[in-house]
Amino acid sequence: KQEVTQIPAALSVPEGENLVLNCSFTDSAIYNLQWFRQDPGKGLTSLLLIQSSQREQTSGRLNASLDKSSGRSTLYIAASQPGDSATYLCAVKNDYKLSFGAGTTVTVRA
Amino acid sequence: DTAVSQTPKYLVTQMGNDKSIKCEQNLGHDTMYWYKQDSKKFLKIMFSYNNKELIINETVPNRFSPKSPDKAHLNLHINSLELGDSAVYFCASSRQETQYFGPGTRLLVL
Repeated sequence: KQEVTQIPAALSVPEGENLVLNCSFTDSAIYNLQWFRQDPGKGLTSLLLIQSSQREQTSGRLNASLDKSSGRSTLYIAASQPGDSATYLCAVKNDYKLSFGAGTTVTVRA
Repeated sequence: DTAVSQTPKYLVTQMGNDKSIKCEQNLGHDTMYWYKQDSKKFLKIMFSYNNKELIINETVPNRFSPKSPDKAHLNLHINSLELGDSAVYFCASSRQETQYFGPGTRLLVL
């Protein structure tokens, strides 16, 4: 059974600082890994998807890396802004389904 | 304009009642999902349908019955509601790998 862990559970940084969010998973036989953002009371928005054959994906200020053999992914958010405050969820795909971590709740202080 | 919509947004009901949650997507996707997010924010897959056929059925009590009348709709009916069913239920859809989530239905069983 796939287990996904995200550390830290919560993070508070001043505006402008870079964010580093960690995700680990127990079964490395994944199809892909996705990072999502969830705002309070809202659904999830897909940020980045990394296929199992890829090492990283970038979108604007966001960069996600994947080390499948060690079961780890890191999401980097450069030059954080108050609008980046949200919960970030990592999910891995095995056997046609996604397994989610509990998320890292980020607060960016103005 | 809403890509994945769910109704109702909020649902408060008594134990033992039967209720339904509806989901519709206008993205032309072939696959739809139901997820449950509990109070600890863990998001878990419940069901997945592809072209109206059930492809994922996790360990969910048989009080939960999904129904897909067509590719654009996936409804969730819950019989004999229990206190532990209180959660946020998310519908999602996908064509390939990226999943698009609805805003969620917040169910409270009293």
